[in-house]
Amino acid sequence: AQSVSQHNHHVILSEAASLELGCNYSYGGTVNLFWYVQYPGQHLQLLLKYFSGDPLVKGIKGFEAEFIKSKFSFNLRKPSVQWSDTAEYFCAVNAKWRGNTGKLIFGQGTTLQVKP
Amino acid sequence: DTGVSQDPRHKITKRGQNVTFRCDPISEHNRLYWYRQTLGQGPEFLTYFQNEAQLEKSRLLSDRFSAERPKGSFSTLEIQRTEQGDSAMYLCASSDQKLRDRESYEQYFGPGTRLTVT
Repeated sequence: AQSVSQHNHHVILSEAASLELGCNYSYGGTVNLFWYVQYPGQHLQLLLKYFSGDPLVKGIKGFEAEFIKSKFSFNLRKPSVQWSDTAEYFCAVNAKWRGNTGKLIFGQGTTLQVKP
Repeated sequence: DTGVSQDPRHKITKRGQNVTFRCDPISEHNRLYWYRQTLGQGPEFLTYFQNEAQLEKSRLLSDRFSAERPKGSFSTLEIQRTEQGDSAMYLCASSDQKLRDRESYEQYFGPGTRLTVT
C-alpha cells in the first residue's frame, strides 16, 4: 500500500532560520507530489506541486521542494522563515496509474512554530 | 467566495444518531473527494466521485457511511448510528478533470465539518 512519511512532527524555529521538512513516500511507480499548508483556522491550501520535469519546484511564499526519485523524497525548504509561516504542513502523493482517480495519500503532517 | 464550501462547520451529536454533511464543490469541477482527518494525522481518503458516479471507496468507509452526488453537483456524506470513533474533521475537495493536463490533479479543499460524537 502507498504511504507517506513526514519525519518531523513538530518543528520550532526562530524567524529568519532556514527550514527543511522531510517527506518520503512508498510507491514504485510514477507520482504526482504536493505540499499543502493549513494556517491556523484556515482550510488546506496548495503550497506547491510536482508533476514532471525540473525536480526543483517553487511554490508560493518563497517555498520550494526538491523531488529526488532515487530517495523517494520530496522535501520542503524555505531559506528564511517568517512568523506568518506558523502552520501545519502536509506532504501528499497521488500515484499515477491507468484509471487514476487523483486521490491523495497524505503524510501525518508537521506543525511548524516560528518564534518572532 | 467561489471556493469549496461545507455545511455545517461543526456538528455535535449523540452516539447512535445519524448525521449528514453537505459539500458544494467549485462550480463545474467534476471530481469530488471526501477525506477524514483525526487529530494529529493527515487527511485520509474516503471516497471519490466523478460527476454523479461514485468510482472509489476506501475500506475506511464502513456500511454506516454513505455518500451521494446527485446530478454531479453538491455531495452529501451520511453517517448512520454514529460512534465515538467517528469524531473527526470531514473534508471535501474538488478538482477539474476536464483539464487536459496534470493540473486536473490539483485539489481544492473546503473548510471541513468537525464532528463530535458524545
